[in-house]
Amino acid sequence: EPEVTQTPSHQVTQMGQEVILRCVPISNHLYFYWYRQILGQKVEFLVSFYNNEISEKSEIFDDQFSVERPDGSNFTLKIRSTKLEDSAMYFCASSQETQYFGPGTRLLVL
Amino acid sequence: GESVGLHLPTLSVQEGDNSIINCAYSNSASDYFIWYKQESGKGPQFIIDIRSNMDKRQGQRVTVLLNKTVKHLSLQIAATQPGDSAVYFCAEGATGGGNKLTFGTGTQLKVEL
Repeated sequence: EPEVTQTPSHQVTQMGQEVILRCVPISNHLYFYWYRQILGQKVEFLVSFYNNEISEKSEIFDDQFSVERPDGSNFTLKIRSTKLEDSAMYFCASSQETQYFGPGTRLLVL
Repeated sequence: GESVGLHLPTLSVQEGDNSIINCAYSNSASDYFIWYKQESGKGPQFIIDIRSNMDKRQGQRVTVLLNKTVKHLSLQIAATQPGDSAVYFCAEGATGGGNKLTFGTGTQLKVEL
């Protein structure tokens, strides 16, 4: 069964560093998303992406964040200058309609 | 798991019993609702969805009920098994691709042997 994959599974970085989180969506899906989950809290929407453009973004998704689909398979989330409060699980999802989530990347900013 | 720092509502059931997990949603404009299961250290796993033109939908061992009048959603799990132990989230959104989901707080289901 097709599934969303994400790399790396864990990422530790220093405050102020740039990180890139990678996702491979399900191949016939057209819509892509990033969500995050701070430890012990609920899942929060960051951004949706369709046809090589951002469709919608939340207040969390400020100028430090960007998304890209650099080729036909990958979908990336870049955080330019990480802050302590960016520490969270980051989930990629893709859909035709129903959103299917990847296993997540646990980001720890020190 | 992901529950440190937040006291999730917890439902404890005996193996073999039926479980009912409830959720109140906030946006009257939402017309698409999903239940996800999240095991410790993993991503949300799709269980079942329902559109607002339906009151009930059944899957394998699971049933979702929607009450639009009071903005309430429930997930019923029949013959609960140890593998059902997880955090369950409801999410609301709009039909059609590309629409964001707004997640609820989650309920921790514990299945006792």
